[in-house]
Amino acid sequence: NAGVTQTPKFQVLKTGQSMTLQCAQDMNHEYMSWYRQDPGMGLRLIHYSVGAGITDQGEVPNGYNVSRSTTEDFPLRLLSAAPSQTSVYFCASSLGQGFRQPQHFGDGTRLSIL
Amino acid sequence: EDKVVQSPLSLVVHEGDTVTLNCSYEVTNFRSLLWYKQEKKAPTFLFMLTSSGIEKKSGRLSSILDKKELSSILNITATQTGDSAIYLCAVDTNAGKSTFGDGTTLTVKP
Repeated sequence: NAGVTQTPKFQVLKTGQSMTLQCAQDMNHEYMSWYRQDPGMGLRLIHYSVGAGITDQGEVPNGYNVSRSTTEDFPLRLLSAAPSQTSVYFCASSLGQGFRQPQHFGDGTRLSIL
Repeated sequence: EDKVVQSPLSLVVHEGDTVTLNCSYEVTNFRSLLWYKQEKKAPTFLFMLTSSGIEKKSGRLSSILDKKELSSILNITATQTGDSAIYLCAVDTNAGKSTFGDGTTLTVKP
């Protein structure tokens, strides 16, 4: 049972480059979300989705795009990478808004922007 | 704007000590409060507290929700070196968002 799978685990980019962080879950969860975690800080919500075809912004959405074409996948796109986006990114999923369930997290992607 | 504040930010204790971690929140449409433990990688779930379940216990860990004071505590008794981690408090709202605190870094020395 894979749970939440994030790829890649590590990535180094140059300023201005674009890339997509992949997230897939095999638990048939409706709710998926992306967070970033900076040193000494908790998780800040970037974007979230309550189901396929539906996405919404979190507290720090600028510079990031998401889409949710299937229940399983929720990729996060960096449009033009900036050093301020250097962080560890976590994807998470849970059953759905109607369920009081904890989120399951992937192992994270460590991203460095030079 | 929803806000979750944890204290202390860091804590160093010795094995066998008892610790209390604090979490206070100001959110609109509170649904539940959750505690997670984060070691090297992903946060892992510890407890969920809601209006109908304001105290939870699992082994040496326990947590209480005070809805009047808008706060929660996480207690760990007889600490072990394996308890060393970042402990995260998160509040879920009926709007579907989760707001996390900055975490408490606990270090347990042998």
